[in-house]
Amino acid sequence: QVQLVQSGAEVKKPGSSVKVSCKASGGTFSTYIISWVRQAPGQGFEWMGRIIPILGVTNYAQKFQGRVTITADKSTSTAYMELSSLRSEDTAVYYCARGDRGAWYFDPWGQGTLVTVSS
Amino acid sequence: QSALTQPASVSGSPGQSITISCTGTSSDVGDYNYVSWYQQHPGKAPKLMIYDVSNRPSGVFNRFSGSKSGNTASLTISGLQAEDEADYYCCSYTSSNTLYYVFGTGTKVTVL
Repeated sequence: QVQLVQSGAEVKKPGSSVKVSCKASGGTFSTYIISWVRQAPGQGFEWMGRIIPILGVTNYAQKFQGRVTITADKSTSTAYMELSSLRSEDTAVYYCARGDRGAWYFDPWGQGTLVTVSS
Repeated sequence: QSALTQPASVSGSPGQSITISCTGTSSDVGDYNYVSWYQQHPGKAPKLMIYDVSNRPSGVFNRFSGSKSGNTASLTISGLQAEDEADYYCCSYTSSNTLYYVFGTGTKVTVL
């Protein structure tokens, strides 16, 4: 059974960057598609981008293009999401979630990482 | 790309059936059978309840069912139970050139 475990909460200053990790266990990491999705307080979900580790291919939502970088380390079955030029509106819970080629849904999700951007 | 439209809240008594709608466009819900539904309890990560419009993952009770007509997908919960009280979100693949997935606005289900 696949499990995704994310890194802990972060507090960042405006203009800085944050890097969140997502470690997978219980499956074949390199064949997954890992997406990152965020949820601002009291709001809905926003898809940010994804990576296909076996191909090293990334796709980003246009809204975040240039500010987000998603990477993966196959040796440790860990995906990373780095968001730069942080502003207060980036305060949110960031989730990683597994997809699969030909499977356009997310299952499972990581537990979420709260990123707070505050001066 | 706008979010898919869901009712803000739906309520029902235990044992009743409720239906949550999810309205998109011909660029997402209407043109692809890649609609999924997620249940989220407060402070918890989302859980997949339905994928590809009407398929249930193993472990999800058959009280949950999904369907689609035109640009609108629906999630029906039959035999409503107290533990079904949660937020529900739909999600669809989209052919938009700005992103791959679009989520719904979310629906708060209250069990009276």
